[in-house]
Amino acid sequence: GESVGLHLPTLSVQEGDNSIINCAYSNSASDYFIWYKQESGKGPQFIIDIRSNMDKRQGQRVTVLLNKTVKHLSLQIAATQPGDSAVYFCAENANAGGTSYGKLTFGQGTILTVHP
Amino acid sequence: SAVISQKPSRDICQRGTSLTIQCQVDSQVTMMFWYRQQPGQSLTLIATANQGSEATYESGFVIDKFPISRPNLTFSTLTVSNMSPEDSSIYLCSVERGTGQSQYFGPGTRLLVL
Repeated sequence: GESVGLHLPTLSVQEGDNSIINCAYSNSASDYFIWYKQESGKGPQFIIDIRSNMDKRQGQRVTVLLNKTVKHLSLQIAATQPGDSAVYFCAENANAGGTSYGKLTFGQGTILTVHP
Repeated sequence: SAVISQKPSRDICQRGTSLTIQCQVDSQVTMMFWYRQQPGQSLTLIATANQGSEATYESGFVIDKFPISRPNLTFSTLTVSNMSPEDSSIYLCSVERGTGQSQYFGPGTRLLVL
């Protein structure tokens, strides 16, 4: 598998705990944000997204919080399970819906390890 | 979400050779993208592939090194030309669900250049 452990921040939690993964984004013009989960040997999997006109959005067991003032994004996972172990990436898109289609800029990623 | 497949899933190549990676989507999409993920790193956009026009490359990536084809709305190829060990990476294609919407990724092609 990929050597993802050498460069990325890590978060270790116990099964059943809540996890919070943080991301600082760089472009104040970004108006669309996505969280992806990447398991070993697979491509990134879409988890949840949020637009800049919102500060919170909830999905199944996941919540994304957006603080535009400090350019901060977080992903909260409730009742974390061993199957949640993966690398999590935030991505930002400036001018979503405009001419800059698909210019996603990815954060560095965080390795989440869930211990049974 | 779209179902995206890539071929090959992995390959080991000799320096100086070229490899063409295929990306197939199960539905017609306007926007397709190619990303590179170097070992232990995040994803970097290489180029945007539009059907009927030339690909748009990001800073640091050039057509001579990464030629792209987009012959129809469900298929694209990325060629990694004149490979060196520094090209060892995962190459991923993605599609945009709708204008300015989330992107869905293929499983990736894991390339090792010796």
